[in-house]
Amino acid sequence: KQEVTQIPAALSVPEGENLVLNCSFTDSAIYNLQWFRQDPGKGLTSLLLIQSSQREQTSGRLNASLDKSSGRSTLYIAASQPGDSATYLCACLPNTGNQFYFGTGTSLTVIP
Amino acid sequence: DGGITQSPKYLFRKEGQNVTLSCEQNLNHDAMYWYRQDPGQGLRLIYYSQIVNDFQKGDIAEGYSVSREKKESFPLTVTSAQKNPTAFYLCASSIQMDMKRYEQYFGPGTRLTVT
Repeated sequence: KQEVTQIPAALSVPEGENLVLNCSFTDSAIYNLQWFRQDPGKGLTSLLLIQSSQREQTSGRLNASLDKSSGRSTLYIAASQPGDSATYLCACLPNTGNQFYFGTGTSLTVIP
Repeated sequence: DGGITQSPKYLFRKEGQNVTLSCEQNLNHDAMYWYRQDPGQGLRLIYYSQIVNDFQKGDIAEGYSVSREKKESFPLTVTSAQKNPTAFYLCASSIQMDMKRYEQYFGPGTRLTVT
């Protein structure tokens, strides 16, 4: 069974700082990996999707990378803003099934 | 606007009662999913459905039931057999694109409180 880990569980940074969120998975045979944002009491909003054949995806200040061989993905946030404060989750879809596996998330606080 | 709707946003029930959570999507997605989210834990899969009239149990299906009579709808019933039903419930859907995409989209969630 795929296991997905996100460390740290919480992160606090001053506004303007660049930061990296980490996601590790145990089985490298995945179709894709997706990063989400969740605000308190809300559903998940998709940020970036990386297919297994890709190494990175970019959207605005966000850049997600994927290294299947090491079982790792990172989400890079440039020039962080207070509005970036939220919980960030990663999820991967194994080649062998139709079930997504989620990490427990990293709670990010950007201090003005 | 295309998207996933869940209703109600908040739901209160007394212990021993069954309750049904609604999930509707107009994205024309084939697959739909129900997750449960508890504080400090990741999302846990309850049930998923790849096509109409077919669904599979996830990791924590005990005490829950679903139906998929229409492509657009995937209601979840929390039965009295579910020992700890108070949680945040999230519905999602996904489409298969290029054989390797499966991007997931989520609804706004329903917070169920059972007392």
